[in-house]
Parts: sequence; C-alpha cells; structure tokens
Amino acid sequence: AQKVTQAQTEISVVEKEDVTLDCVYETRDTTYYLFWYKQPPSGELVFLIRRNSFDEQNEISGRYSWNFQKSTSSFNFTITASQVVDSAVYFCALSDLYSSASKIIFGSGTRLSIRP
Amino acid sequence: DAGVTQSPTHLIKTRGQQVTLRCSPKSGHDTVSWYQQALGQGPQFIFQYYEEEERQRGNFPDRFSGHQFPNYSSELNVNALLLGDSALYLCASSLRTSGRAVHEQYFGPGTRLTVT
Repeated sequence: AQKVTQAQTEISVVEKEDVTLDCVYETRDTTYYLFWYKQPPSGELVFLIRRNSFDEQNEISGRYSWNFQKSTSSFNFTITASQVVDSAVYFCALSDLYSSASKIIFGSGTRLSIRP
Repeated sequence: DAGVTQSPTHLIKTRGQQVTLRCSPKSGHDTVSWYQQALGQGPQFIFQYYEEEERQRGNFPDRFSGHQFPNYSSELNVNALLLGDSALYLCASSLRTSGRAVHEQYFGPGTRLTVT
C-alpha cells in the first residue's frame, strides 16, 4: 500500500528563519513520483515540485529546496529566509509513475505559520 | 488561459439530499480527477475520468458517482448525503499522452460542501 506521512502537524517560525518540512513515504513500487503542494487559505492547491524516483538530485528553486533520499524514503522541503506569504498548509504526495491513471496519495499536511 | 474552474463555490445541503458539483478542466486537458478533503486532512482520491469513462476509483462508496462530457468537463454526484460528506471537493485536470497519464495535475479552487 502507498502512504505518505507528514509527522509535523504545525510549525511556527519567525520571519527570515529557515524551516524544513518533513515527508516520509511508503510504496512497493520501484518507480513513482513525489510532489509538494501548497494550500493557502483560499483553498486552491498550488503545485510546487514533482520529482521522479529515478532522480535523487536535490533541487533548488529560489528560497525553496528539496532533499530526496530514497534510502530513507524521505522527500523533505526547506524554505530559506521564510516570509509571511509562505504561511499555508503544505502537502507531500506520491503517485505511480507508470499507472494508467494518476491517482495522487497525499499526506495529512503541515500547517506552516510565519510570524512577522 | 483559464485554469481549472469549479462551481458552485459553496453549497449547503441537508442529510439525505443529493448534490452535483461541476468542474471545467484547464484548456487543453482531457482528464479530470476528483478529490475529497475533510477539514484538517489531506485530499483523498475519489475517481478519475478520461474519455468519458471512470478509469480509477478510490475507496468511496457507490453514493459517489461522476460523469465526463465530450468537452472534458465533469460532474461529481453524491446521493443520500451524510454529515461526514461535509468537505472541500477538489477537481484536478491533467493531460494524457498516448494513453499514459501525465502526472502534473492542476487543481481548481474547490467546492465547499456543508451537510447539516
């Protein structure tokens, strides 16, 4: 069975601090996709990144970076120099790479609050 | 370029009633997935439609049904509403290539359903 665990329910930091959101996943598949989505108070899920299981290179996009470690089944997300606008619920997710359909399995989310 | 749109934005229904939610996919997309997001939880996959057929289904009862139209838009129907059906219902669209799912899904703003 596929499962995504985000153990941190809520995180609160002061603006400009760095913060890391943890994600651990379980799957029997050898090929899969991992995602991070952001959900601001408006409710719409905003796609942040997709990473396939073949590529373990870390990725950086501006203040965002992602650390994928297959050996520990983790796909952690770090925000550097956090800003108030980063406040949202963040979801880590997983799907089959070669499935005929693209069901996405989401974690329960981490609510991130950035205090001014 | 219009993104994924959903209607209505909010809906209040009584237990036992039936409800229909609507989704228009992003321009150029042909696949629609529906997710249910209960308060404080991650989205849960309901089902996915492609070529007007249900392609994959999550762990939801038959009270949940759907339809896809020739213009790729979709409806989600829920019969015999229960209090536990209160949630944010998210629609996501994506594009298949040669029958294989493309996993970048774009989410709409959701429909907030309250069952009293």
